[in-house]
Amino acid sequence: AQKVTQAQTEISVVEKEDVTLDCVYETRDTTYYLFWYKQPPSGELVFLIRRNSFDEQNEISGRYSWNFQKSTSSFNFTITASQVVDSAVYFCALSEAHGNNRLAFGKGNQVVVIP
Amino acid sequence: DGGITQSPKYLFRKEGQNVTLSCEQNLNHDAMYWYRQDPGQGLRLIYYSQIVNDFQKGDIAEGYSVSREKKESFPLTVTSAQKNPTAFYLCASTAWGGASTDTQYFGPGTRLTVL
Repeated sequence: AQKVTQAQTEISVVEKEDVTLDCVYETRDTTYYLFWYKQPPSGELVFLIRRNSFDEQNEISGRYSWNFQKSTSSFNFTITASQVVDSAVYFCALSEAHGNNRLAFGKGNQVVVIP
Repeated sequence: DGGITQSPKYLFRKEGQNVTLSCEQNLNHDAMYWYRQDPGQGLRLIYYSQIVNDFQKGDIAEGYSVSREKKESFPLTVTSAQKNPTAFYLCASTAWGGASTDTQYFGPGTRLTVL
């Protein structure tokens, strides 16, 4: 069974600080897909990134970066130079190749950026 | 504009009533999903549909029903059998290619409150 753990519940940072969100996953499938979504106060989930299990290349997109390590089953997400608009709940999710595209979500990280 | 719409944004229900939440997409996506989100929790899958006139139960289907008569529409009915229906409901869709490679995109959500 697939499982996603986001241990930190709420993280507060002062504006311009970096913040890293941890995500640890469990799966028996050898092919799987990892996602990060952002949920601002409005409630809608906004897709940020998707990673395939066979692609461990880390990625940087603007102030966002992702660190995927299969050896530790982790898919961590970093916001560099945080801004107030980054305040949101961030969800890590996992989809197995043989799981009918079902997503398993972690409980989310509430990020609060203090001006 | 292409996207997923959910209505209403807020819904109030009296105990014992059935209510139907609307989800429409004009992305020409094959698969659609319903999730429930409770405070401080991740999303849990209620029902999903990969093609018209077919749908499967997710992890918490009891007390809910769905239909998929049209590709663009996937309404969710919360029945009186659902003991604790107060929650935030999110609809998602994805282009189903028969494999778990496609990203799910979400609507803005409906917040249901039982009075």
